Order: sequence, then structure tokens, then C-alpha cells
Amino acid sequence: DTGVSQNPRHKITKRGQNVTFRCDPISEHNRLYWYRQTLGQGPEFLTYFQNEAQLEKSRLLSDRFSAERPKGSFSTLEIQRTEQGDSAMYLCASSLWGGRAGSPLHFGNGTRLTVT
Amino acid sequence: SQELEQSPQSLIVQEGKNLTINCTSSKTLYGLYWYKQKYGEGLIFLMMLQKGGEEKSHEKITAKLDEKKQQSSLHITASQPSHAGIYLCGAYKEGLNTGTASKLTFGTGTRLQVTL
Repeated sequence: DTGVSQNPRHKITKRGQNVTFRCDPISEHNRLYWYRQTLGQGPEFLTYFQNEAQLEKSRLLSDRFSAERPKGSFSTLEIQRTEQGDSAMYLCASSLWGGRAGSPLHFGNGTRLTVT
Repeated sequence: SQELEQSPQSLIVQEGKNLTINCTSSKTLYGLYWYKQKYGEGLIFLMMLQKGGEEKSHEKITAKLDEKKQQSSLHITASQPSHAGIYLCGAYKEGLNTGTASKLTFGTGTRLQVTL
């Protein structure tokens, strides 16, 4: 069990550029989540997948954000035409969801995005 | 939506002292998760509480769930510098017993500093 892995750890980009982050979950986990966290706040839900199906997207997620999990394994989060307000820590988490049992989320170390 | 309020927002304690962090929900708590986060890193899972009155301990950290009060508390005994960080509580918006729970919603966190 190598844990949840996120790449890159840091990304600095200019406003208007596109960025893509990658998340590799714990291998046997069927659920994968993306959260965003700004300074002094708790993580804010963006979207989640169960296997390859994207089951929910936050209303806060604009059309510039898109996430994929093509084979139910790793996931990518793309932000198009970045804005300074997109600067945040982007966290990925995975869990083994078995129905009624509330399994905990296991988080990666995040990707810190700075938009200049 | 599920709102989780944590108190205090920040805490400075002397090494060796005990402390308590509270997490209060605006809605019924079906399960409560405690995480710890160090600056710039991901969340580390501490404990999961699912039944009213449940109490769990891990090393010097004890968490309790009071479903009637829609509240959970995290207690640290004889604090050490290694306990410093941000403590976050999270809960599922929906009932776990319906099998429809989707994502964890988090509080804003309690920042703990432990002085020598």
C-alpha cells in the first residue's frame, strides 16, 4: 500500500494557461475524490468518481474544470484558462466503498497551484 | 447542506497540557471522521465514529460522538509538539444507512500549536 500519490506537488502558472494534475489512488479503492483547500479553510468538495463513473460535481465547479478517471484507476483534473482565484491546494482522496459502511477517505499530499 | 462548526478556531497549549476540540453539526450526524493536517500536506485519518456514545482512542487522542447533541469532541492528553497541526472533522451529508452517502463535508479546522 503506497498511499495516494499526487503530481506535481507544486505548480506555478500564468493566468490564462491550462493546467492538469494527476492522482493515483490506493489500488483497490473504487472511489476517488477531488477537493480544493484554501488557506484557513477546510477542504471543499469538487467531484468524485466511483470506478470510472463521475457521480457528482459540485455546483461550485465551473465549466473550466474537468476531471476524468478513464479506466477506474488514476484520475486527472484539468483547469482551463486559469484565474488567480484558482490558486489553492488541490487534494485527491480515495476510499473503498462497500455500500452502507462509511469507509474513511485517504488523502494524498496535494498539488499546490499558484496562478500569477 | 451539512454545516460543521469547529471550536476553537485556534489553540496554543503548553507541552504536557490537555486540550479539547469540538465539532458541532447543524444536522444529524450519521458518522464523524477526524483528520489531522500538517501545513502544506494532505490529511491524515485519525478516527471514525459511527454510533452515538461511541468513543475511540489512538495513543493519547480520544474522540467521542454525541449524536443527540450532534457533536463530537477530540481530546488530547499530555500534549506534545508532535500533536501540532490542524485538526479537521468531516461528516457525510446523507445517511450512511441508506447507502446513498457520497462525500465528506469538512469543518474549517482547529489550528493547534504546542509550546515547549
